[in-house]
Amino acid sequence: DVKVTQSSRYLVKRTGEKVFLECVQDMDHENMFWYRQDPGLGLRLIYFSYDVKMKEKGDIPEGYSVSREKKERFSLILESASTNQTSMYLCASTLSRVVAGELFFGEGSRLTVL
Amino acid sequence: GESVGLHLPTLSVQEGDNSIINCAYSNSASDYFIWYKQESGKGPQFIIDIRSNMDKRQGQRVTVLLNKTVKHLSLQIAATQPGDSAVYFCAENIGNFNKFYFGSGTKLNVKP
Repeated sequence: DVKVTQSSRYLVKRTGEKVFLECVQDMDHENMFWYRQDPGLGLRLIYFSYDVKMKEKGDIPEGYSVSREKKERFSLILESASTNQTSMYLCASTLSRVVAGELFFGEGSRLTVL
Repeated sequence: GESVGLHLPTLSVQEGDNSIINCAYSNSASDYFIWYKQESGKGPQFIIDIRSNMDKRQGQRVTVLLNKTVKHLSLQIAATQPGDSAVYFCAENIGNFNKFYFGSGTKLNVKP
């Protein structure tokens, strides 16, 4: 089974702190994604990566950056956390960037910024 | 029971009844669709998918129907059980790096 692992399930940070959210997938998937999920707004795409060191902005990239130094790992970085970034963050991956296929999700990281 | 997706975010059904959850998607070029189930505090789980060259697909107790003419997707759950209580949302794949866009979800509440 494909496993997408998000290292932190719950985090509490202060405004202005730098925050790292880590995600690892174990099935050699090309594509990796970061979404945030807020009540009533569904999942919104922050950034995605289709290859090592490649990144593309999603719909709401402001205030975030990402890093993909290895194929299996995709990190989301909040350079200076703000209270409006309190949310559930979901990492996901797909096998191919070309052929439509299942999007596998991690269990989520719930971030609270005080 | 029947839900209209975004306009009726909560659907309550009796255990043993059939449930129908609806989703209107936005892009006529979308060619692949997935239904996900998300339980409280967990990540979304794949339920069933369908490609645009089909109009119906069946799984175990679940059926997905696709109507491309009106850009509508539905998930039917047969003999709904308490364990089916969760938020359900549809995802459409718009091609282009295999990106998905999501509906905001419908909460299914199964009464024993």
